[in-house]
Amino acid sequence: NAGVTQTPKFQVLKTGQSMTLQCAQDMNHEYMSWYRQDPGMGLRLIHYSVGAGITDQGEVPNGYNVSRSTTEDFPLRLLSAAPSQTSVYFCASGAYSYNSPLHFGNGTRLTVT
Amino acid sequence: AQSVTQLDSQVPVFEEAPVELRCNYSSSVSVYLFWYVQYPNQGLQLLLKYLSGSTLVESINGFEAEFNKSQTSFHLRKPSVHISDTAEYFCAVSPDYNQGGKLIFGQGTELSVKP
Repeated sequence: NAGVTQTPKFQVLKTGQSMTLQCAQDMNHEYMSWYRQDPGMGLRLIHYSVGAGITDQGEVPNGYNVSRSTTEDFPLRLLSAAPSQTSVYFCASGAYSYNSPLHFGNGTRLTVT
Repeated sequence: AQSVTQLDSQVPVFEEAPVELRCNYSSSVSVYLFWYVQYPNQGLQLLLKYLSGSTLVESINGFEAEFNKSQTSFHLRKPSVHISDTAEYFCAVSPDYNQGGKLIFGQGTELSVKP
């Protein structure tokens, strides 16, 4: 019973490098999203998707790209990493319903030097 | 726009003492309200939710929260905490027109239970 799986768990990048954070869910959820968690700021929504082929911006989308080619996968791309993107990133999924809880992955801790 | 304020960033408490974690929200529309818990090095897990009906909602591990529309609050309480309750707690809201998922989170409250 995997739920939401995020890889990698940890990553260190240099400024300007690119990388993709992977997220996969096996619950057939329509809704998937990416949050970043920073001390004292809670979780802020980066991008979200309500189904394959549909994505939209959240509160803090700059510097990040997403795509949703399948129901299961929702990768987050950093095209040119910046120190301000040092954070813990969480992927979450849920049924597309107001009373459905979000299921979170265990997070990716990213450091940009 | 909706926003969530958790009034305490850290709450230290002794084991078996009562605790209250405070959450206020602002919204021009009706909202659904949630509390999530994050144990160290893990993702968030749903603790409890208020959708409609009784304003007092309970979780399976003894927490409860009361929706107060006039005060726009959704405080979380537990009458007697355990060491295992040590975690970070997040309050979140979702506007009632939201089909789901786009939660707005508060800043989080670190609950530290000491023996």
